[in-house]
Amino acid sequence: GNSVTQMEGPVTLSEEAFLTINCTYTATGYPSLFWYVQYPGEGLQLLLKATKADDKGSNKGFEATYRKETTSFHLEKGSVQVSDSAVYFCALSGITGGGNKLTFGTGTQLKVEL
Amino acid sequence: GAVVSQHPSWVICKSGTSVKIECRSLDFQATTMFWYRQFPKQSLMLMATSNEGSKATYEQGVEKDKFLINHASLTLSTLTVTSAHPEDSSFYICSASGLTSGKNEQYFGPGTRLTVT
Repeated sequence: GNSVTQMEGPVTLSEEAFLTINCTYTATGYPSLFWYVQYPGEGLQLLLKATKADDKGSNKGFEATYRKETTSFHLEKGSVQVSDSAVYFCALSGITGGGNKLTFGTGTQLKVEL
Repeated sequence: GAVVSQHPSWVICKSGTSVKIECRSLDFQATTMFWYRQFPKQSLMLMATSNEGSKATYEQGVEKDKFLINHASLTLSTLTVTSAHPEDSSFYICSASGLTSGKNEQYFGPGTRLTVT
């Protein structure tokens, strides 16, 4: 079945540091890949996505490239801010019954300090 | 666009009572809605998938008689936690999926914090 593995947290960085959160996946077929962000006490927000191999998703300075050869979708940001502190979830989709069923990683908490 | 709301945002109920959580797609027709449960500092666990007008499909280990899901219209799904117990306390999140630009994508609600005392 489908699965997503992402690095455990928490990840603590200083403001303006470079961020990488690793994500690898196992899936049949050609899934779409997603990064979601969850701020404290809130639901999930889609951060970025990629729907096919070599696609790069980007948003708010975050980027991730769909690497089929390494089955990875690592999240990166060149300079993090305190406001980026949140939990980040990597996910993939597989079609089921007319709606995509998402498989989530366990989440990585990011703490950015001044 | 693609806004999903949940109501209530938080609820406290007594053990043994039932509580209903609503999930609405505000600006699109949701052919499929998903209900998730999230424990503190953990990932989302899919509870069930519901397609408008048909019975929900529950994930393994989820009691369908305890977690009643109704998806009566293209904009509303409800989750009713029946005979709630303290172990049902959790953060419940719904998501909705409709045809968007030819691709199905899930849009998440803000979640409902349920506390059973």
